[in-house]
Amino acid sequence: DIVMTQTPSSQAVSAGEKVTMSCKSSQSLLYSENKKNYLAWYQQKPGQSPKLLISWASTRESGVPDRFIGSGSGTDFTLTISSVQAEDLAVYYCEQYYDTPLTFGSGTKLEIK
Amino acid sequence: QVQLKESGPGLVQPSQTLSLTCTVSGLSLTSNSVSWIRQPPGKGLEWMGVIWSNGGTDYNSAIKSRLSISRDTSKSQVFLKMNSLQTEDTAMYFCALDFDYWGQGVMVTVSS
Repeated sequence: DIVMTQTPSSQAVSAGEKVTMSCKSSQSLLYSENKKNYLAWYQQKPGQSPKLLISWASTRESGVPDRFIGSGSGTDFTLTISSVQAEDLAVYYCEQYYDTPLTFGSGTKLEIK
Repeated sequence: QVQLKESGPGLVQPSQTLSLTCTVSGLSLTSNSVSWIRQPPGKGLEWMGVIWSNGGTDYNSAIKSRLSISRDTSKSQVFLKMNSLQTEDTAMYFCALDFDYWGQGVMVTVSS
């Protein structure tokens, strides 16, 4: 199984600050034939279902604010929120869909100071 | 408008079988996959398995021996059955269509 490791486990920032969180996979998620990384980012707000933010490592879903930026390739990935807003309070999960079983990271909890 | 809704018992006794239904509206099951994901209270997400658009299935190896996922395309429903439930199976259970659309989840407690 592909192991997904997220760091940090929690992070507290003030509104307006930039935040970055990391996701590392135990094997490459880059499929050579189409040059795509099979990595997604989800946001789960308290009491809600997860919401897909980014697929293919860097493609924002429709309606997702452009302050959410996904980057990285291979085994190292980053989610950046360029200017954190109060409504971004949530746990953020990465997930690989390169191979089954699909696996999630343990999450990064974002707290607003 | 795409909607998914999970339904099933909120309480299951240890060693019994869990049966959940995911009812999908707005998109066809023959064109999209549906996964089941669960989340124990205060913990992270665990992918359980998927039924693909062609009806094939894949399961998490950790629970594969206890799990079955099926569907009724005429009713646009996907079913989860998991046997030999234990207290550690207590969780919120979600279904998700292509991971783009998620249900609200159903809380299942395993307790006598």
